Amino acid sequence: GAGVSQSPRYKVAKRGQDVALRCDPISGHVSLFWYQQALGQGPEFLTYFQNEAQLDKSGLPSDRFFAERPEGSVSTLKIQRTQQEDSAVYLCASNVRGTNVLTFGAGSRLTVL
Amino acid sequence: GNSVTQMEGPVTLSEEAFLTINCTYTATGYPSLFWYVQYPGEGLQLLLKATKADDKGSNKGFEATYRKETTSFHLEKGSVQVSDSAVYFCALSLFPLTGNQFYFGTGTSLTVIP
Repeated sequence: GAGVSQSPRYKVAKRGQDVALRCDPISGHVSLFWYQQALGQGPEFLTYFQNEAQLDKSGLPSDRFFAERPEGSVSTLKIQRTQQEDSAVYLCASNVRGTNVLTFGAGSRLTVL
Repeated sequence: GNSVTQMEGPVTLSEEAFLTINCTYTATGYPSLFWYVQYPGEGLQLLLKATKADDKGSNKGFEATYRKETTSFHLEKGSVQVSDSAVYFCALSLFPLTGNQFYFGTGTSLTVIP
């Protein structure tokens, strides 16, 4: 596609529910990143994929967070047993191989009640 | 380590005023520097960038110059408009970008009033 597409744009979950957030990167972008942006803060790195390989997951805050990109295109970030502190905007970004410029999606805003 | 420090907000200006948002960085390597803008309800959009010392990035009337001697990348605009109201993020990136090498400041909220 022309840009990075994320869905859903807004998600409200009850504490303890599982959620899944989807990212469809720009066609041909082999690198995909997930970031978490808390209210009033800058984005914080969660995880990185090159094609289908998850090469860096050092930013995932707990084992309740899981990301996959099985065919090297669409990625899903899954949060199990959501907690209130998981409330944030989850941003997906992709970049062209060999560059260091990120193109971001509009984000998925998660609110955990 | 690597980090970005930018001017705290919020900033409120009248239309046509001059804007400066300060940004300084620390980096273990030779970074590229960016300003991203986030309009209400939207994701981050690249505003401008500079990849080496003394480079000036510019876009939509905004400018920032990569100053290695002062480790700074201050954002400026000579005459702001109401449509510039947004949150501005200074960021640095190390090459190659293969993981956690993109660092953001905490953002500066700008409101321009008519």
